[in-house]
Amino acid sequence: AQKVTQAQTEISVVEKEDVTLDCVYETRDTTYYLFWYKQPPSGELVFLIRRNSFDEQNEISGRYSWNFQKSTSSFNFTITASQVVDSAVYFCALSEEGNTPLVFGKGTRLSVIA
Amino acid sequence: GAVVSQHPSRVICKSGTSVKIECRSLDFQATTMFWYRQFPKQSLMLMATSNEGSKATYEQGVEKDKFLINHASLTLSTLTVTSAHPEDSSFYICSASAGPIYNSPLHFGNGTRLTVT
Repeated sequence: AQKVTQAQTEISVVEKEDVTLDCVYETRDTTYYLFWYKQPPSGELVFLIRRNSFDEQNEISGRYSWNFQKSTSSFNFTITASQVVDSAVYFCALSEEGNTPLVFGKGTRLSVIA
Repeated sequence: GAVVSQHPSRVICKSGTSVKIECRSLDFQATTMFWYRQFPKQSLMLMATSNEGSKATYEQGVEKDKFLINHASLTLSTLTVTSAHPEDSSFYICSASAGPIYNSPLHFGNGTRLTVT
């Protein structure tokens, strides 16, 4: 069975600080896909990244970066120089091979204080 | 812009009535759509997988007679909450992709906030 753990329930940082959101996953498949979504207070899910299990290269997109480590089954997300607009709930999710639905972690609520 | 449209965004209904939520893929054909439910400050829990032209597959613990799902076309899936009760109040969100997730992004609707009074 697949499982996603986001151990940090809530994080609060001061603007301009860097923050890392942790995600640990479990799966028996060798082919799987990892995702991060942002859910602002309005409720919609904003897609941030998708990574397949064969691509362990870290990715950077502006202030966002992701660290995928298969050895520790982790897919952590770092926001550099955080801004108030980054305040949201962030979900890590996993999908196994094929057209299977996403399994979400419980989410981490990030509050960035000005 | 949004590629999955969900309607309505908010609905308030009286206990005992039924509510229909629509999920449309706007510029692609979605053979499979997924329906999730999210309670306040909780994660998204999969309710069912909706396949075009066939019966939906429900997750354990989800009442299929209460949450009716119809996927009549490649661009539309509907979720009907029948005989709604206050405990059905929740945020419902659908997702869709044009094909297998390994080569098709998964798009989410903006969700429907249901309040049953």
